[in-house]
Amino acid sequence: GESVGLHLPTLSVQEGDNSIINCAYSNSASDYFIWYKQESGKGPQFIIDIRSNMDKRQGQRVTVLLNKTVKHLSLQIAATQPGDSAVYFCAENMAGYNKLIFGAGTRLAVHP
Amino acid sequence: NAGVTQTPKFQVLKTGQSMTLQCAQDMNHEYMSWYRQDPGMGLRLIHYSVGAGITDQGEVPNGYNVSRSTTEDFPLRLLSAAPSQTSVYFCASSTRGGKYQETQYFGPGTRLLVL
Repeated sequence: GESVGLHLPTLSVQEGDNSIINCAYSNSASDYFIWYKQESGKGPQFIIDIRSNMDKRQGQRVTVLLNKTVKHLSLQIAATQPGDSAVYFCAENMAGYNKLIFGAGTRLAVHP
Repeated sequence: NAGVTQTPKFQVLKTGQSMTLQCAQDMNHEYMSWYRQDPGMGLRLIHYSVGAGITDQGEVPNGYNVSRSTTEDFPLRLLSAAPSQTSVYFCASSTRGGKYQETQYFGPGTRLLVL
């Protein structure tokens, strides 16, 4: 079975509810942020990104909010579905560097 | 396009053995990187490359070597495997990195067990 994420924080939601996954990033110089979804046994999959000159960006059923003042990023998933069950990671890129720094992740469990 | 491919999917090594994890992408991406993922943790960057012939160290480079002789391939070499290198390894690529960091696309991963 999947060994990744054994000790991750878990968010449990009912199918159809909205989900909010939070992430505190570490560096005030970071200028690019990405949310990834990782299903069991698979590599991370891009969901949505946002640059530091924005505070909100919307995709299909997902919205990312960026609060640079408190270095906080959130991912909102509307009408959560069983297929949304996965581990979600935020990642930040510091301006001028070639590196993405990943957070520890949050497990989203969707119950029928 | 196949995207990012990794081989093998799973490998068992004995302490002290060496091996190469293969990574290839067919998207003509300049930027490629290797991460390891351990239980309860996010991905940690091992090495990365901004183009053929150019590589640099990430957060946890010790015990690993890389080379980038072509745009398509970015192999990761374990010089002398240790149990602490038991992990899931992911390769990723993107059109470019650095100041203009773009979305990285990940391969399916290689699970490595070192006994």
